[in-house]
Amino acid sequence: AQTVTQSQPEMSVQEAETVTLSCTYDTSESNYYLFWYKQPPSRQMILVIRQEAYKQQNATENRFSVNFQKAAKSFSLKISDSQLGDTAMYFCLHVDDKIIFGKGTRLHILP
Amino acid sequence: DTGVSQNPRHKITKRGQNVTFRCDPISEHNRLYWYRQTLGQGPEFLTYFQNEAQLEKSRLLSDRFSAERPKGSFSTLEIQRTEQGDSAMYLCASSWWDRDSNTIYFGEGSWLTVV
Repeated sequence: AQTVTQSQPEMSVQEAETVTLSCTYDTSESNYYLFWYKQPPSRQMILVIRQEAYKQQNATENRFSVNFQKAAKSFSLKISDSQLGDTAMYFCLHVDDKIIFGKGTRLHILP
Repeated sequence: DTGVSQNPRHKITKRGQNVTFRCDPISEHNRLYWYRQTLGQGPEFLTYFQNEAQLEKSRLLSDRFSAERPKGSFSTLEIQRTEQGDSAMYLCASSWWDRDSNTIYFGEGSWLTVV
C-alpha cells in the first residue's frame, strides 16, 4: 500500500529564511502525482505545488520549489524568503488512484 | 465554477443521532473523495467514487458509515448512531482523474461535534 512519510512534525524558522520540508513515499506505481498542500488555521486546503512523476524537472512556483528524487522516492519542499503568511500545516500527497496524505508538518514563521 | 461545496459546515449532534453531510464537487469531476481529519492530524481516507461507483471504502469506516453518489454528481456521507469518537472534520475533494492529469480540489470541510 502507498504510504507517505513526513518526518518533521513541527518546524520554526525566522521570517525571510529558507526552510525545507521533507517527504518520502512508498509506491509500486510508475506514474503518479505528488503535491504539497498547505492548511492554514482556516482549514481550507490550498495547493502549493504539484509534480508529475514522469517529469524529471523539478516543479517551481514563485518562492516554492521541490526536490523530486524519483529513485529515492523523495519529494521535499523548499520555501525561500519565508513570510508570516506561510505559517500553516503542510501536507505531502501521493496521488494515483487514491490520495494518500502524510501526517503533516506544522510550520511556524517567526517575525 | 464555485469550487467544492460542503454542507453543513458545522453540525452539533447528540450521541446516538444520525447525521448526513453533503458534498457538491466541481461539475464534471469524475472522482470524489471523503476524508476525516481530527485536530493536529492529517486527513484519513474514508472512501472514494469514480462517477457513481464507490471504488474503495476504508476499514476505518464502520458499518455506521455509508456514502453515496447516486448520479455521479453530489455525494452524501451518513453517520448513524453517532459516537463521541466521530467528532472530526469531514473533508470532501474532487478531481478530473485520468492518467494524464490530476488536479485535486478540496472543500472547506464539515465539522461534526458529538456531545
